[in-house]
Amino acid sequence: QVTLKESGPGILQPSQTLSLTCTFSGFSLSTYGMGVGWIRQPSGKGLEWLANIWWDDDKYYNPSLKNRLTISKDTSNNQAFLKITNVDTADTATYYCARIAIVVTTGATGFAYWGQGTLVTVSS
Amino acid sequence: DIQMTQSPSVLSASVGDRVTLNCKASQNINKYLNWYQQKLGEAPKLLIYNTNNLQTGIPSRFSGSGSGTDFTLTISSLQPEDFATYFCFQHNSWPLTFGSGTKLEIK
Repeated sequence: QVTLKESGPGILQPSQTLSLTCTFSGFSLSTYGMGVGWIRQPSGKGLEWLANIWWDDDKYYNPSLKNRLTISKDTSNNQAFLKITNVDTADTATYYCARIAIVVTTGATGFAYWGQGTLVTVSS
Repeated sequence: DIQMTQSPSVLSASVGDRVTLNCKASQNINKYLNWYQQKLGEAPKLLIYNTNNLQTGIPSRFSGSGSGTDFTLTISSLQPEDFATYFCFQHNSWPLTFGSGTKLEIK
């Protein structure tokens, strides 16, 4: 059974760095084809993909956030992390982590399993 | 970036109706189009992956079709639990992008 759970600071001030943790079970980020992505959603709005990290440590970022994102993983503890520097009120959103996978029989399948999300509010 | 355009943005329908939701990509995304359902306060749930593959546990009244740039999600007979927002998502190329959603509401 695949599960993911996000954790974060809840609230932080503008210009600070947001650190998010995704703790998962039911798969390993050291297994071929496995990946974890981060997606966010401002209240009442759409979904925005932020970053992905793969089993081989390959990383992809949304260029719209330029150099503010850093994704990493701790394979031993089944965790993935996302840092966003210099946050602003526009970064207020629910942040989700999700598993993405490349399956031998079907190829890439997109985000099949999602965490419940963690609400992050940026406010002075 | 590939832009994903969903239509309509709001769809009013009744229980038992057959409905079709549309998603258009700004360029060819091959088969790499997923559909997600999201209810208020919940995470998105994968319904269909790679255009027409039903995710495990999803009722067969959901189906997907299309190729290249034009895709559809069809619900053959709406059930009360189907009233939600639906997002399409392309994972053919980076950056990955979502459509802005179709809100399916009760008529």
